[in-house]
Amino acid sequence: QQPVQSPQAVILREGEDAVINCSSSKALYSVHWYRQKHGEAPVFLMILLKGGEQKGHDKISASFNEKKQQSSLYLTASQLSYSGTYFCGTDTFGNEKLTFGTGTRLTIIP
Amino acid sequence: DSGVTQTPKHLITATGQRVTLRCSPRSGDLSVYWYQQSLDQGLQFLIQYYNGEERAKGNILERFSAQQFPDLHSELNLSSLELGDSALYFCASSAQGGVNTEAFFGQGTRLTVV
Repeated sequence: QQPVQSPQAVILREGEDAVINCSSSKALYSVHWYRQKHGEAPVFLMILLKGGEQKGHDKISASFNEKKQQSSLYLTASQLSYSGTYFCGTDTFGNEKLTFGTGTRLTIIP
Repeated sequence: DSGVTQTPKHLITATGQRVTLRCSPRSGDLSVYWYQQSLDQGLQFLIQYYNGEERAKGNILERFSAQQFPDLHSELNLSSLELGDSALYFCASSAQGGVNTEAFFGQGTRLTVV
């Protein structure tokens, strides 16, 4: 079953923070985050495995709450280059395949 | 550049026809994934191959088939094409077969069925 992402779209000014949420109705083994710019291929951001870990690089981080079957992606002090559509992909335990959400379109304006 | 090469970039064909999409994974990657992306469906996992063998199957229609060759390149065959098959088809590759590895996407093949 497809995970639900929220919000569907968000517009921010450069320097503002954003949070993108990903929720599943099934128990999750891992959550993957990708960013896709218009007309380009999705680009890997990070994987979070069960255990409630938090990861991050640069000003983009994510958390994974296994009990709530949710993950959140945090973008701090957003830059113009952060614009794009963010997808979460979920792997339910032992499924061996990713199911992607419908995406969150993030637009950063100067 | 992700290192994953997909050909052709664009394909326009008529309903009922058959097409083949090709993917060359990153050097050294053993696993290849195929995804379909359409406006209303998002990214849909189709199928995964690992070192020549089918590893996982998603929502792939019976009219579609894929294979991975000994040199690790992969082909996705789409037959009896319908208008609804128009979409962007992505290939991705990863070093290992497990799902919890970073995948690198190619630039995609845009298929238009008229």
